[in-house]
Amino acid sequence: EIVLTQSPATLSLSPGERATLSCRASQSVSNYLVWYQQKPGQAPRLLIYDAFIRATGIPDRFRGSGSGTDFTLTISSLEPEDFAVYYCQQRSHWPLTFGQGTRVEIK
Amino acid sequence: EVQLVESGGGLVQPGRSLRLSCEASGFTFDDYAMHWVRQAPGKGLEWVSGISWNTRIIVYANSVKGRFTISRDNGKNSLYLQMNSLRVEDTALYYCGKDRSPNLEAVGAWGHGILVTVSS
Repeated sequence: EIVLTQSPATLSLSPGERATLSCRASQSVSNYLVWYQQKPGQAPRLLIYDAFIRATGIPDRFRGSGSGTDFTLTISSLEPEDFAVYYCQQRSHWPLTFGQGTRVEIK
Repeated sequence: EVQLVESGGGLVQPGRSLRLSCEASGFTFDDYAMHWVRQAPGKGLEWVSGISWNTRIIVYANSVKGRFTISRDNGKNSLYLQMNSLRVEDTALYYCGKDRSPNLEAVGAWGHGILVTVSS
């Protein structure tokens, strides 16, 4: 199965700063990469699918990029509500798999 | 509004069985693939299983293959997960998820989750 490795494990930033999250796949997943956001005590929320397409209602400060094995989620200017855990997921090969998550915390 | 309501969780002994259900509303159920995703306490997300809109595609995580069975009843707008030979490591919050497509791609909507605790 495909292993997704997210880095860093934790990102400490201030509101207004730019966040750059990485997801690396153990083999190519083409552009079949998904990003989710999860806040404490809540279910995850779909942010980005197929590497760069924002889901309905997702603000344009969230931007996905990459292809093959290396992907990035960029949050251009952190809002207070963006501090959360972010997961990547691949749909290129079965079974679907998730990365271990990156926590974006307030510095 | 999409609603997914899980039920059937609880405390169960290792080696026993449990059946989770997910009742869906607010969308045309048989147009979409469905998923089960779990999250152990304090841990990350783990995809468990998915089923396409027409049941032709069914996939399991390696960790549950041979023990869990996913199914759906499009007439009842319901998704199920039959969990047999449960292990302590199956303890988690189990989420029901609606795909954004008819096939297994991405979970576009999530239930609130149901807790399964496997312990003697």
